[in-house]
Amino acid sequence: DTEVTQTPKHLVMGMTNKKSLKCEQHMGHRAMYWYKQKAKKPPELMFVYSYEKLSINESVPSRFSPECPNSSLLNLHLHALQPEDSALYLCASSPGGPTQETQYFGPGTRLLVL
Amino acid sequence: GQQVMQIPQYQHVQEGEDFTTYCNSSTTLSNIQWYKQRPGGHPVFLIQLVKSGEVKKQKRLTFQFGEAKKNSSLHITATQTTDVGTYFCLGGGTSYGKLTFGQGTILTVHP
Repeated sequence: DTEVTQTPKHLVMGMTNKKSLKCEQHMGHRAMYWYKQKAKKPPELMFVYSYEKLSINESVPSRFSPECPNSSLLNLHLHALQPEDSALYLCASSPGGPTQETQYFGPGTRLLVL
Repeated sequence: GQQVMQIPQYQHVQEGEDFTTYCNSSTTLSNIQWYKQRPGGHPVFLIQLVKSGEVKKQKRLTFQFGEAKKNSSLHITATQTTDVGTYFCLGGGTSYGKLTFGQGTILTVHP
């Protein structure tokens, strides 16, 4: 299995809603990432988990809360988002730690905040 | 901090023409990776370059890593309509977790 899966594919939420994005990989990778991507822009790194521990938080607002329940799963909890948070949210994984390793991206969740 | 500049931002070519995109880092990189993102899709890994002066080929694609490990290029020979998409470089820094994407080059191929 060489896939990273993400659910849901699309999500529309209001500014008072709470929702979660899910990511799963079964490649035995030890690092998992959350990225945010706006149209025609590169992915922006949000969080990195390495060996199930949060190792990088790129000064992301607290309305985004990551969680890594186990080595195969990564969640992103969303609360009180703003319209400018609308974007494609990408999950990725890599065999080892960040920087050196190839990243495998999931198909993303397209989020619209109304 | 580490910055990776990528040019051009857009490139329109006729099918059969060649295409090149360039990345230049403000700091020495440990490695550089290239990704392709089709319209409406997600980034897909193409290649990783690690050694100074490294050149790798994948069919019509040629990737180079500069001698100083600060710049890189992706060259496509005889473009096809299937090459359409955005090409990103991702520079891996020498310190932990330092990953920087270039801004991407959006390639359009006219049949």
